[in-house]
Amino acid sequence: DAKTTQPTSMDCAEGRAANLPCNHSTISGNEYVYWYRQIHSQGPQYIIHGLKNNETNEMASLIITEDRKSSTLILPHATLRDTAVYYCIVRRYNTNAGKSTFGDGTTLTVKP
Amino acid sequence: NAGVTQTPKFQVLKTGQSMTLQCAQDMNHNSMYWYRQDPGMGLRLIYYSASEGTTDKGEVPNGYNVSRLNKREFSLRLESAAPSQTSVYFCASSDEPDSLGNQPQHFGDGTRLSIL
Repeated sequence: DAKTTQPTSMDCAEGRAANLPCNHSTISGNEYVYWYRQIHSQGPQYIIHGLKNNETNEMASLIITEDRKSSTLILPHATLRDTAVYYCIVRRYNTNAGKSTFGDGTTLTVKP
Repeated sequence: NAGVTQTPKFQVLKTGQSMTLQCAQDMNHNSMYWYRQDPGMGLRLIYYSASEGTTDKGEVPNGYNVSRLNKREFSLRLESAAPSQTSVYFCASSDEPDSLGNQPQHFGDGTRLSIL
């Protein structure tokens, strides 16, 4: 599976949109982009995934560039409870999740 | 709806002691996983089980053994605990990939293990 690169940390003002970037320049055509987050002391929580189209659910939106080499997770109205470590993972289609790894992620701090 | 349940939540061991961490899921998932997370770092996969009766090594399997007892339960055993195994251990499960090959993982809340 392709490696991902994320900034170590980011800040966001409460109520504003949080845009978290992820670089996956070596992604191949059959690899999906997944996002998880980990709130302090809890287990990681699945957020969203996508292949090439932009995706939206009740938690977030995922924007994938046309060349698929990078993506952005958008939390449209960040709250203090969105403060967490966010992980971007690339995983091959129909491959067991155990074959992909979590990196160090981006620590997002939402400030009042 | 419990999801993934891990026991115990906290444990302190002495070097050389043995211990089994328990994990159970109630979502009828086929795949289960064990990760460790050291302070300030991401998760590293120890072992995973793609289905009942099968297990595979992950990134950091040394010093650990696993047992997929049945579809619900996946245990992690430390035979002779070492201070380097002090960490937070997370268990996860996932369903079969859907028609698009997607397989989100669901995590437990972790076991905090300290080895003195």
